[in-house]
Amino acid sequence: GIQVEQSPPDLILQEGANSTLRCNFSDSVNNLQWFHQNPWGQLINLFYIPSGTKQNGRLSATTVATERYSLLYISSSQTTDSGVYFCAVGSADSNYQLIWGAGTKLIIKP
Amino acid sequence: NAGVTQTPKFRVLKTGQSMTLLCAQDMNHEYMYWYRQDPGMGLRLIHYSVGEGTTAKGEVPDGYNVSRLKKQNFLLGLESAAPSQTSVYFCASSRRAGGEQYFGPGTRLTVT
Repeated sequence: GIQVEQSPPDLILQEGANSTLRCNFSDSVNNLQWFHQNPWGQLINLFYIPSGTKQNGRLSATTVATERYSLLYISSSQTTDSGVYFCAVGSADSNYQLIWGAGTKLIIKP
Repeated sequence: NAGVTQTPKFRVLKTGQSMTLLCAQDMNHEYMYWYRQDPGMGLRLIHYSVGEGTTAKGEVPDGYNVSRLKKQNFLLGLESAAPSQTSVYFCASSRRAGGEQYFGPGTRLTVT
């Protein structure tokens, strides 16, 4: 099955810094989503981005499907950005099932 | 709109006991999912449903059963709980296959 690797596993930044999180996947996908899990455990869908680039405020994401990776950019980090960021992908063969990476744990210090 | 809700939020079971987790969504979504999340890991799909009256197995279905009698509800049952089922359980829904998934707040289950 598809393997999903996220890097880095942990990231500690000062408030105001920018960051780039990476998601590599091992096979073709037709579904890629980025999620933020806040420190209270709630999962929020950030982007649905099987290809191309999207922006939402200080967050943006780019997926290069042909090279099998996606990037999540966070600019001008705030303490509320802390939490775990997950990438999840779905293949054409099994579109219902999202395969999840292990996540990047982000800590933003004031 | 409440979105996706889950009950209960917390539960402690003894080995061998049974329980049912309830998921409800008010977005008229066709697809619903049950996941489990273990410490330091991403989510793993237990079962899912592509519409009222349908269910299918996901990646880790053993020890769980599900039912979708009404479009808005998706139930997850544990017939005989085991310590290995200690986890946080999340329900999600989406409008279509492969669409954006929206999550409930989770249920923290401990089996002793």
